Amino acid sequence: NAGVMQNPRHLVRRRGQEARLRCSPMKGHSHVYWYRQLPEEGLKFMVYLQKENIIDESGMPKERFSAEFPKEGPSILRIQQVVRGDSAAYFCASSPGGGSYNEQFFGPGTRLTVL
Amino acid sequence: AQTVTQSQPEMSVQEAETVTLSCTYDTSESDYYLFWYKQPPSRQMILVIRQEAYKQQNATENRFSVNFQKAAKSFSLKISDSQLGDAAMYFCALYNFNKFYFGSGTKLNVKP
Repeated sequence: NAGVMQNPRHLVRRRGQEARLRCSPMKGHSHVYWYRQLPEEGLKFMVYLQKENIIDESGMPKERFSAEFPKEGPSILRIQQVVRGDSAAYFCASSPGGGSYNEQFFGPGTRLTVL
Repeated sequence: AQTVTQSQPEMSVQEAETVTLSCTYDTSESDYYLFWYKQPPSRQMILVIRQEAYKQQNATENRFSVNFQKAAKSFSLKISDSQLGDAAMYFCALYNFNKFYFGSGTKLNVKP
């Protein structure tokens, strides 16, 4: 059973470009979570999605960031008009369900560098 | 609000010795979970140990154990017989309402 897959592993963008980060959850998992890790910091929650639904986006910046988890295919975290402050590692995690506790399995992360 | 504080940015331990990493947290919830994650240079998040808040008994996983003091909101990690492979960033995390709240991390160095 393959783990959580994220691609690309490294992404370089110039200021003003768009970044699209993809996350394929573990087989059988229908819940996806995105976290951001700025340099020298811990991971910070961004958004929680189920298939075709955003459940909790309380950690998402109000502008330029969006996330989706379509019925078919990976979850996408999209950052429009990137700025240098968006440079970070973006982690995806998946779980089989939500509720009180369902173990979240983390992917290897995508390191975004904005030039 | 949920917060997690790790007050030791960096620590060092001699190989085969024991080290304790500190963590305090704050939450008004009664149902939560606490974790320690290891992040090596590869950046992969590796689960080290988990503690359910409703359990009084401290969790143990081989050389890793925790000291969970619920009233004090303290959750420290003890690593016994430290090995070179233990060198990494260690993050304490609180889980509640379908999301993790992470501390800022402690970098552990292991000296041969």
